[in-house]
Amino acid sequence: AQSVTQLDSHVSVSEGTPVLLRCNYSSSYSPSLFWYVQHPNKGLQLLLKYTSAATLVKGINGFEAEFKKSETSFHLTKPSAHMSDAAEYFCVVTGGSYIPTFGRGTSLIVHP
Amino acid sequence: KAGVTQTPRYLIKTRGQQVTLSCSPISGHRSVSWYQQTPGQGLQFLFEYFSETQRNKGNFPGRFSGRQFSNSRSEMNVSTLELGDSALYLCASSSGTDRSYEQYFGPGTRLTVT
Repeated sequence: AQSVTQLDSHVSVSEGTPVLLRCNYSSSYSPSLFWYVQHPNKGLQLLLKYTSAATLVKGINGFEAEFKKSETSFHLTKPSAHMSDAAEYFCVVTGGSYIPTFGRGTSLIVHP
Repeated sequence: KAGVTQTPRYLIKTRGQQVTLSCSPISGHRSVSWYQQTPGQGLQFLFEYFSETQRNKGNFPGRFSGRQFSNSRSEMNVSTLELGDSALYLCASSSGTDRSYEQYFGPGTRLTVT
């Protein structure tokens, strides 16, 4: 069995300040973890993925995430938010099966 | 490479009708998955096809069905539409060779049932 919890439904930041989107997971197997971003009226775009290599994963657009097994977390961070980062972000886990489990999403709001 | 394409982009149907949605995956990808996205339930997995065979299925009623053709293009069908079927239907393709694969999503088909 596997599950994902995105701890915040909304995160609001000012442009130029750091971003932290939190994700906890559970999986009976060694997980693969992903972060996707969805802009309004668009499909999902892969930001980054963890598949048991380096625990600190760098993605596109300056995002990165750290896999912490002891805390079962995979939080997404970015040092400095841009207005274009405003979107919905999804944390995804794939465990023993091919069926990915999506979190409920975190809406990132960026203020000028 | 061309991305994942979905047709049509928007659809309005009446309760009781049926609908067919189409998805063309990235060239070379053999796995196609379908998802339903609604504000209330979020993103829910419908089913996955790999090399023309349904490999995985989510927890949806039998009114939801799909198929995959030899060129990996996929269709999903919803029969006897209900108001609750109004949603964004997303298709995603991948190489599908192992569970660490990433998925590439299409823009979705927005289905409205009246």
